[in-house]
Amino acid sequence: AQTVTQSQPEMSVQEAETVTLSCTYDTSENNYYLFWYKQPPSRQMILVIRQEAYKQQNATENRFSVNFQKAAKSFSLKISDSQLGDTAMYFCAFKSNFGNEKLTFGTGTRLTIIP
Amino acid sequence: EPEVTQTPSHQVTQMGQEVILRCVPISNHLYFYWYRQILGQKVEFLVSFYNNEISEKSEIFDDQFSVERPDGSNFTLKIRSTKLEDSAMYFCASRRGTGRNEKLFFGSGTQLSVL
Repeated sequence: AQTVTQSQPEMSVQEAETVTLSCTYDTSENNYYLFWYKQPPSRQMILVIRQEAYKQQNATENRFSVNFQKAAKSFSLKISDSQLGDTAMYFCAFKSNFGNEKLTFGTGTRLTIIP
Repeated sequence: EPEVTQTPSHQVTQMGQEVILRCVPISNHLYFYWYRQILGQKVEFLVSFYNNEISEKSEIFDDQFSVERPDGSNFTLKIRSTKLEDSAMYFCASRRGTGRNEKLFFGSGTQLSVL
C-alpha cells in the first residue's frame, strides 16, 4: 500500500518570501501521479499542482512549482512570492496509475503567511 | 469554473440516527467519490462510484455506509446508524473521465457532528 508523509505540521513565512513544503511517499509502482491540494479555512479542497511520475520535468503553475525527485520519492512544493491568500492547509496526495482512482493523502502542512 | 455542490454544509445528528449527505456532481462527470476528514487528521478515501455501482471502497466504508445516484444528478452518502466516530467533514468529488489530464473536483464538504 502507498503511504504519503508530510513531516512539517506547521510552517510560517513572511509575505513575499519563498517557502518549500516537503512530501515523501512510498510506492513500488513506476507510473503514478502526485498532487498538492490547498485547503483554505473554507475547507474546500483545491488542486494546486500535479505531477506525472513518467515526466522528468518539474510541474509549474504560476508561483507554484514542485521539485520531483523520483529516486528519492520526494515531491516538494515551492511557493514563490507568497501571498496572504496562500494561508491554508496543504496536502500532498498520491494516485496509482493502475485502475484504482483513489487519492492517498498525507497529514498536511498548515502554512501561515505573515503580513 | 464548474462546481461540485454539497448540502447541507453542516449537519448535527444524534448517535444511532440515519443521515444522508447530498452531492450534486458536475453535470458531465461520470466518476464520483466520497472522502472524509476527521478534525485535525488527513483526508481519507471512502468509496468510488461509476456506472451505478461501487468500483472501490475502503475499510472505513462498512455495512453502515451506502451510496446512491438516485436520479442522474444527485450522489448521496447514507450512514444508517451514526456513531460518535463518524463525526467528520465529508467531501464529495467528481471527475469526467480517467484520462491522464482529467481533474478531480471537490465540493466544499458537509461537516457532520454526531452527538
